[in-house]
Amino acid sequence: GAGVSQSPSNKVTEKGKDVELRCDPISGHTALYWYRQSLGQGLEFLIYFQGNSAPDKSGLPSDRFSAERTGGSVSTLTIQRTQQEDSAVYLCASSLSVGGRAGNEQFFGPGTRLTVL
Amino acid sequence: GNSVTQMEGPVTLSEEAFLTINCTYTATGYPSLFWYVQYPGEGLQLLLKATKADDKGSNKGFEATYRKETTSFHLEKGSVQVSDSAVYFCALSDRSSYKLIFGSGTRLLVRP
Repeated sequence: GAGVSQSPSNKVTEKGKDVELRCDPISGHTALYWYRQSLGQGLEFLIYFQGNSAPDKSGLPSDRFSAERTGGSVSTLTIQRTQQEDSAVYLCASSLSVGGRAGNEQFFGPGTRLTVL
Repeated sequence: GNSVTQMEGPVTLSEEAFLTINCTYTATGYPSLFWYVQYPGEGLQLLLKATKADDKGSNKGFEATYRKETTSFHLEKGSVQVSDSAVYFCALSDRSSYKLIFGSGTRLLVRP
């Protein structure tokens, strides 16, 4: 069984360019999450999807960040006009369900390392 | 708001030593608690979890007990191996919520 996959694994871009990061969740998982891992901030929640809708976008750091999910599966995180402080590892996770006594087990992808020059 | 505090690393141990990584949390209600591990060059993996007070999560020789009275979820292992070298993250999830709130991570280095 395939786990969560992310692409690209590494992305180097120039300041001011737009980037798209892709996440393929585990088949059948309804919930999808984006996190960011950076040296200064640790692991931060960015956005969460239940199906194709995003009930909570509160973790997105600025309006340059957006994300969408189509067909209840693949998700794309887009960063417009990248800045050097956007450099981080972007992690995607998926879970079968949300909350509840099951403990909301989230399975993580390998991440995309973004470097903004 | 909810938060997780874990001991700063790095923690350096010799093989077969006893490991404790402290984790305390602040949360309303009764969160679920997790330990995730990140091996070098790999993604985050769930190591163990506990969903209610006094539960003990265990996996691969690691254990952690959900202590409501001390709001703690310390990770322990009786005899570490070189292959346990990794970064360990404590995290919580509110039952009615969805997002994981992580501690800052503790790097463990086990020397032969």
